[in-house]
Amino acid sequence: GQQLNQSPQSMFIQEGEDVSMNCTSSSIFNTWLWYKQDPGEGPVLLIALYKAGELTSNGRLTAQFGITRKDSFLNISASIPSDVGIYFCAGQLRYGGSQGNLIFGKGTKLSVKP
Amino acid sequence: DGGITQSPKYLFRKEGQNVTLSCEQNLNHDAMYWYRQDPGQGLRLIYYSQIVNDFQKGDIAEGYSVSREKKESFPLTVTSAQKNPTAFYLCASSDPGLDNEQYFGPGTRLTVT
Repeated sequence: GQQLNQSPQSMFIQEGEDVSMNCTSSSIFNTWLWYKQDPGEGPVLLIALYKAGELTSNGRLTAQFGITRKDSFLNISASIPSDVGIYFCAGQLRYGGSQGNLIFGKGTKLSVKP
Repeated sequence: DGGITQSPKYLFRKEGQNVTLSCEQNLNHDAMYWYRQDPGQGLRLIYYSQIVNDFQKGDIAEGYSVSREKKESFPLTVTSAQKNPTAFYLCASSDPGLDNEQYFGPGTRLTVT
């Protein structure tokens, strides 16, 4: 099936650092969603993007829908320990007038620097 | 409080047994979904339902079955035909008539030995 390339796969953060991750696809998407998942829990929706070029913030999180519609990035500013977890991007295609299903990246795992 | 509930949180079964995972939502969403998550992997779609009494196969439907008799409920049965059933199972729902953003339940971890 179709896949999103999400990078990096993992990264270590130190409190106060800014963090950046991104997703790319060979296909055009109409919607990009970013989720965070804590261990043993379901993903929680962080930000939804609907227009090419759209830049949306949610507190310290900022996400953008790429102009080409084939990519998106998520930035976390001034990271704090509770930011650790796995971040997933998800894209949605639209066929004709109907919504397609979500396609998920494999996630970016944020951990605290030892 | 509106949300999605999945029960139980942990489930253990012997190989060869069918097992049904529960998913209930009180968000009044028309669409519901089942995903499977394996370590280090993204979410893979098993089945989805856009409306009551209708459902479609996702990318990895083999060995699974679902029903959608009520808007609030979308149970998933993991059958003995599923070759590798041990995984974390996530249920989600969305409102296709609105923004179609999917919201997830807390998940059920199934272990089959």
